[in-house]
Amino acid sequence: DGGITQSPKYLFRKEGQNVTLSCEQNLNHDAMYWYRQDPGQGLRLIYYSQIVNDFQKGDIAEGYSVSREKKESFPLTVTSAQKNPTAFYLCASSIAYLQTGDSNQPQHFGDGTRLSIL
Amino acid sequence: DQQVKQNSPSLSVQEGRISILNCDYTNSMFDYFLWYKKYPAEGPTFLISISSIKDKNEDGRFTVFLNKSAKHLSLHIVPSQPGDSAVYFCAAAREGSSNTGKLIFGQGTTLQVKP
Repeated sequence: DGGITQSPKYLFRKEGQNVTLSCEQNLNHDAMYWYRQDPGQGLRLIYYSQIVNDFQKGDIAEGYSVSREKKESFPLTVTSAQKNPTAFYLCASSIAYLQTGDSNQPQHFGDGTRLSIL
Repeated sequence: DQQVKQNSPSLSVQEGRISILNCDYTNSMFDYFLWYKKYPAEGPTFLISISSIKDKNEDGRFTVFLNKSAKHLSLHIVPSQPGDSAVYFCAAAREGSSNTGKLIFGQGTTLQVKP
């Protein structure tokens, strides 16, 4: 079955610690994305990557870092610099503009990781 | 600055009736619009999309209408079923290599379909 796997589903962090959220996809998508959802709000883009070894900041990148060493994987690190890390984090992937020349491609999401601060 | 707005936080309809979810946007550069459905503790599921060259797109019980002059889109679900109860997000994107794939989401509307 093709899809996006986020792990763990629930994650707890002590203040001052960095924590890394995993996102793996086997859809052969070039593009991957990280979003954050807070209660009563829409999804906000943290980082995105259109191709391996390249990524761009989204609207709320401060306090986060990413890497894209493999096509299938796009881990997100929530650093201690992120002042309000408690949220629901969603990873997504899509066929990239670079693959098809068509930017109108839907993004497909994983089931998310809920991060809480102890 | 909220570029995509869903002004109704919740909507309740009777099973079998029509559900109409609304979304407004402010950026005239948006040319691709999507609707996602989300259950609690799960990721959003893609439902239907529409390009700005169209004003209607239909897929089974789901139809999306786009009114570019009003910068408004709506999702119609007919007939509504209890399994449709979820949070619905609209999202918008604009074409261009620097923005490709970046979706701007609304705040979501919680739909409850009563049996």
